Amino acid sequence: NAGVMQNPRHLVRRRGQEARLRCSPMKGHSHVYWYRQLPEEGLKFMVYLQKENIIDESGMPKERFSAEFPKEGPSILRIQQVVRGDSAAYFCASSLYQGAGLDTEAFFGQGTRLTVV
Amino acid sequence: GEDVEQSLFLSVREGDSSVINCTYTDSSSTYLYWYKQEPGAGLQLLTYIFSNMDMKQDQRLTVLLNKKDKHLSLRIADTQTGDSAIYFCAEKSGYKLSFGAGTTVTVRA
Repeated sequence: NAGVMQNPRHLVRRRGQEARLRCSPMKGHSHVYWYRQLPEEGLKFMVYLQKENIIDESGMPKERFSAEFPKEGPSILRIQQVVRGDSAAYFCASSLYQGAGLDTEAFFGQGTRLTVV
Repeated sequence: GEDVEQSLFLSVREGDSSVINCTYTDSSSTYLYWYKQEPGAGLQLLTYIFSNMDMKQDQRLTVLLNKKDKHLSLRIADTQTGDSAIYFCAEKSGYKLSFGAGTTVTVRA
């Protein structure tokens, strides 16, 4: 059972370009979470999605950022018109269930390190 | 609110015990976690403790929870060079994890 797969591992974009980050959850997991890690900081929650639904996007910047988790295929975090401040590591996690209790642990991918030049 | 704090650095000699401390603020947290991050890698779940427990032991790892003081610690016995990494404390409320900034543990020979 492969873990959470993210690609690409590293992404370099010029200011103004678009960045698309992909995340395939663990097999059987339908809950996906995106977190951002700025340099020398902890991870900050961005968005929580289930298949075809955004459940909580309270941590997403209001502009330029969007996320989806379609019925088929990976979850996508999209950043339009990137700026230098978007440079960070973006981590995806998935869980079998959500909330408190057994089998709600979040398993993290290896992250995508975005560098905006 | 969600605010998790940890000391930033810890240097320990190989074979000694490491203790990493963490404080959190959300009294409604149901689970508290310790994650390990090696350079360039993702987060590996090390261990977790349910909020109604005081202690959990798992091989070389011991987690202590003082719910009254909202203090969590991770003790690594017989620290090895492979334990060098960043350790993140995280509290969970509902489905959302709130992380500390991480403690960089350096193991010296």
